[in-house]
Amino acid sequence: QKEVEQDPGPLSVPEGAIVSLNCTYSNSAFQYFMWYRQYSRKGPELLMYTYSSGNKEDGRFTAQVDKSSKYISLFIRDSQPSDSATYLCAVNTGFQKLVFGTGTRLLVSP
Amino acid sequence: GAVVSQHPSWVICKSGTSVKIECRSLDFQATTMFWYRQFPKQSLMLMATSNEGSKATYEQGVEKDKFLINHASLTLSTLTVTSAHPEDSSFYICSARADIHYGYTFGSGTRLTVV
Repeated sequence: QKEVEQDPGPLSVPEGAIVSLNCTYSNSAFQYFMWYRQYSRKGPELLMYTYSSGNKEDGRFTAQVDKSSKYISLFIRDSQPSDSATYLCAVNTGFQKLVFGTGTRLLVSP
Repeated sequence: GAVVSQHPSWVICKSGTSVKIECRSLDFQATTMFWYRQFPKQSLMLMATSNEGSKATYEQGVEKDKFLINHASLTLSTLTVTSAHPEDSSFYICSARADIHYGYTFGSGTRLTVV
């Protein structure tokens, strides 16, 4: 079993839709949760960072962590074509190496 | 804040030559930096953890003599691909963490093409 599971997609939605991206993890020791957006041929860009259960909102993005079920989500409201990218979830226990999901490719059509 | 600069952004080299990639933390000190490799349409694969003032820790299956890592200061880590071959062509990315209260920041990546 992989430490972090993520559906690779692609996920295709029309512009304006609400997008839900999800990951599950197996190790309850993970305390830090991140979502990255990666455009083609670019380095990953940090979108959201949380270290507790609950919701965290930043503009159109909401990150949700449920430690009891080991489930993390990223919601994108009013999706735009510019949101088309690969979204990677990542977890770790502190300053150690990140454990990544496989990434979900999102396509937002005009 | 928490900017990581990576150079060059792309490089083409001849087979058998060596290529050095630099990763700098611009506004924070990074005791630890990470080097990743990414193939098209795949997730990031951790190659090694670079520790300032000590030897890097390589992941299983990564040749330490081929991928030389030097972390000479708290703001600079370098990855040298020695005797490069076409199969080393890939996207290489570094990352670092400024503080426990922030996520990891990534460089913009280096696309290496060996011809």
